[in-house]
Amino acid sequence: DVKVTQSSRYLVKRTGEKVFLECVQDMDHENMFWYRQDPGLGLRLIYFSYDVKMKEKGDIPEGYSVSREKKERFSLILESASTNQTSMYLCASTGTGGEAFFGQGTRLTVV
Amino acid sequence: GEDVEQSLFLSVREGDSSVINCTYTDSSSTYLYWYKQEPGAGLQLLTYIFSNMDMKQDQRLTVLLNKKDKHLSLRIADTQTGDSAIYFCAESIKWTDKLIFGTGTRLQVFP
Repeated sequence: DVKVTQSSRYLVKRTGEKVFLECVQDMDHENMFWYRQDPGLGLRLIYFSYDVKMKEKGDIPEGYSVSREKKERFSLILESASTNQTSMYLCASTGTGGEAFFGQGTRLTVV
Repeated sequence: GEDVEQSLFLSVREGDSSVINCTYTDSSSTYLYWYKQEPGAGLQLLTYIFSNMDMKQDQRLTVLLNKKDKHLSLRIADTQTGDSAIYFCAESIKWTDKLIFGTGTRLQVFP
């Protein structure tokens, strides 16, 4: 059974903290993506990666960075968490089959 | 720029048909998708259509594409309570590329 796993379902962090969201896929997919989901706004692309050590900015990269040291792992980093980064974060991956597989999501609350 | 719009809510009676609509602006979109998100879960691909197609049917699901008007719809026949979820339309230029999502339509099915 194919799987995209996000390390935490729920996180509560303080303003100014550095936050790491981890995503691991076991499908040997080349492409990985981080989205944030907010009510009424749908999913917005933060960063994506087409290969190890490669990264591309999405539509809303400000305040975020990413790391892809290994093919199966794509980390999202909030350098200094702020309350407007309270959201649901979704990781996805795609391979040659085309379909995007999503993780369960991490609901992050910044207080 | 790219923009994908959906109505936010739809309420239908069990057994009726549901029609969820989506409009997009990027005429270079090659692939159009419908994803389903159940409560507390990530997104799951329901169906997709290539931009050179007008219609695709898959069991209870019918996708209609009007490329001239950039309008996509998803019809669910014989809607069941298990169909209650958020439905996202999405577009991409390449098969494994980043997805641009709509705002999502929350479908509520009542007995």
